[in-house]
Amino acid sequence: KAGVTQTPRYLIKTRGQQVTLSCSPISGHRSVSWYQQTPGQGLQFLFEYFSETQRNKGNFPGRFSGRQFSNSRSEMNVSTLELGDSALYLCASSLVATSDTGELFFGEGSRLTVL
Amino acid sequence: GQNIDQPTEMTATEGAIVQINCTYQTSGFNGLFWYQQHAGEAPTFLSYNVLDGLEEKGRFSSFLSRSKGYSYLLLKELQMKDSASYLCAVSLYSGAGSYQLTFGKGTKLSVIP
Repeated sequence: KAGVTQTPRYLIKTRGQQVTLSCSPISGHRSVSWYQQTPGQGLQFLFEYFSETQRNKGNFPGRFSGRQFSNSRSEMNVSTLELGDSALYLCASSLVATSDTGELFFGEGSRLTVL
Repeated sequence: GQNIDQPTEMTATEGAIVQINCTYQTSGFNGLFWYQQHAGEAPTFLSYNVLDGLEEKGRFSSFLSRSKGYSYLLLKELQMKDSASYLCAVSLYSGAGSYQLTFGKGTKLSVIP
């Protein structure tokens, strides 16, 4: 079956702009989590959605937001981009609420560069 | 926040055995996971421990001691393709009946001939 699909794979933005990233989970998976990965900080949790509800949110400013649709697809948005937002954004899906079982299936990520 | 500590880098020889350690704060612990991430690729699930002891899966084994807040990933008969980053992740209770999975910064393993 198809894996987790993230779009776009690469994008370049300038400071102050906003960006929307999309994630299509594995068919049948209801949980979607988002992570930011940078060389210095590793994988940092952004938020988790399950059945269209945000279950958890990490320690990121309000400029980072997300949502999940009825078909389990998810989007995350970053407004007023800063240079430090340059990172690989990874989406992961799970059959049930993420941390109940732990096995996450990751997408290839969206690499964002902010100039 | 949760501190998950693992070595930044390790080097080992092809055919050898390597142990990657991970320590974490024990409050609210709900399980520990190991993921493998090759350069430029997505992380993939390796193992899950929720009870004390050793879980073996082929060449890879993972150990957990909940009282010590300690885990290790053991890789046997190392192959060149095992060169990757190994991520330790801990599930912790975050309140209101939900849990959050927090990752360590990863250990970059280099396997040399």
